[in-house]
Amino acid sequence: TQLLEQSPQFLSIQEGENLTVYCNSSSVFSSLQWYRQEPGEGPVLLVTVVTGGEVKKLKRLTFQFGDARKDSSLHITAAQPGDTGLYLCAGFPFGGFKTIFGAGTRLFVKA
Amino acid sequence: DTGVSQDPRHKITKRGQNVTFRCDPISEHNRLYWYRQTLGQGPEFLTYFQNEAQLEKSRLLSDRFSAERPKGSFSTLEIQRTEQGDSAMYLCASSLATSNQPQHFGDGTRLSIL
Repeated sequence: TQLLEQSPQFLSIQEGENLTVYCNSSSVFSSLQWYRQEPGEGPVLLVTVVTGGEVKKLKRLTFQFGDARKDSSLHITAAQPGDTGLYLCAGFPFGGFKTIFGAGTRLFVKA
Repeated sequence: DTGVSQDPRHKITKRGQNVTFRCDPISEHNRLYWYRQTLGQGPEFLTYFQNEAQLEKSRLLSDRFSAERPKGSFSTLEIQRTEQGDSAMYLCASSLATSNQPQHFGDGTRLSIL
């Protein structure tokens, strides 16, 4: 069974702090996506990473795909209250079609 | 921009009733997925269509659940004889059929069973 474990499960920080959330698996994925979900809404795609070691930046968000394609991290610089939400990682296995989701990291940024 | 749309957004019903949800995917997407999400969890895969063909069903999908995509465009998910454990957010997503294409989600239907 392919699993994606996200840590921490919950994070509460002050505005302006930096943070990193992690997504780990023992399985190899051909690509990995990060989504952000707000209450009552569907997940919104932030980024797809495909190449091992790949780093992508989206304003204050930096995403990294592990060299072995088994893990990923999301780093947020100078967090803002608007970053509050559930961050989900999702892996796309080789030769498969079914995306595997982690349980998410719930981030709360206090003003 | 016409993303994935789901209807209704909320459904409250009594235990034992049947419910049906609709999903309209992004028009050029030929893959369509249904997921269930409960509080504090990530989405759990239910079933998947490529065009009109239903290619995979999760073991989570009991025989009370049925999904269709008759013309390869919109899809419906029906739950018969609802149970309290069916209370959840039901999410639909669509994607292109080429490799590594990410899924784009609708805002879901929140089902509450009384």
